[in-house]
Amino acid sequence: DTAVSQTPKYLVTQMGNDKSIKCEQNLGHDTMYWYKQDSKKFLKIMFSYNNKELIINETVPNRFSPKSPDKAHLNLHINSLELGDSAVYFCASSHSGGISYGYTFGSGTRLTVV
Amino acid sequence: KQEVTQIPAALSVPEGENLVLNCSFTDSAIYNLQWFRQDPGKGLTSLLLIQSSQREQTSGRLNASLDKSSGRSTLYIAASQPGDSATYLCAVRLQDSSYKLIFGSGTRLLVRP
Repeated sequence: DTAVSQTPKYLVTQMGNDKSIKCEQNLGHDTMYWYKQDSKKFLKIMFSYNNKELIINETVPNRFSPKSPDKAHLNLHINSLELGDSAVYFCASSHSGGISYGYTFGSGTRLTVV
Repeated sequence: KQEVTQIPAALSVPEGENLVLNCSFTDSAIYNLQWFRQDPGKGLTSLLLIQSSQREQTSGRLNASLDKSSGRSTLYIAASQPGDSATYLCAVRLQDSSYKLIFGSGTRLLVRP
């Protein structure tokens, strides 16, 4: 199946822990993103990578560190987790080409910090 | 700064009704506009993408229009069904090198049997 897949689907962890979320796409896209959906369901971009190069780093705490080992993978590592980090994190991908290209989203990772 | 607004925030209609969801954006410098559907606890499913040079796109019972100059898009759902119940999100792709997609806050639709 061609898709954006992210793991794990659910993540429950204690405050202060470090955790990672992985994302892979097999669509041949050159740009990948991390979005955060808060408790009010609003989606906001966190990071974007184009051909493994960071192009967007919104005002996200530096406890969040993305890593893109290649064009098809974008992982998100979070250090020293806080209660406020609880949210659903979505990975997405697209072509950078412009008007005719849309985004494809993964199914999300629900992170709960206790 | 691009802002995307969706009205109404929530909508409840009886089955069979035709309905319109509205989306407005403040900056017309966009590459395209995409409508998504999100079911509770699930990911985003792309419904329609309208390029900035297009006026509308259709898929089955869905029709999306785009008026870039006025910063508006509508999603028309014909003959609504209970299975259409979901949150509908509108998002615009910025016409710059960031490739960002900016989302509205969504319209939560309930179609009553």
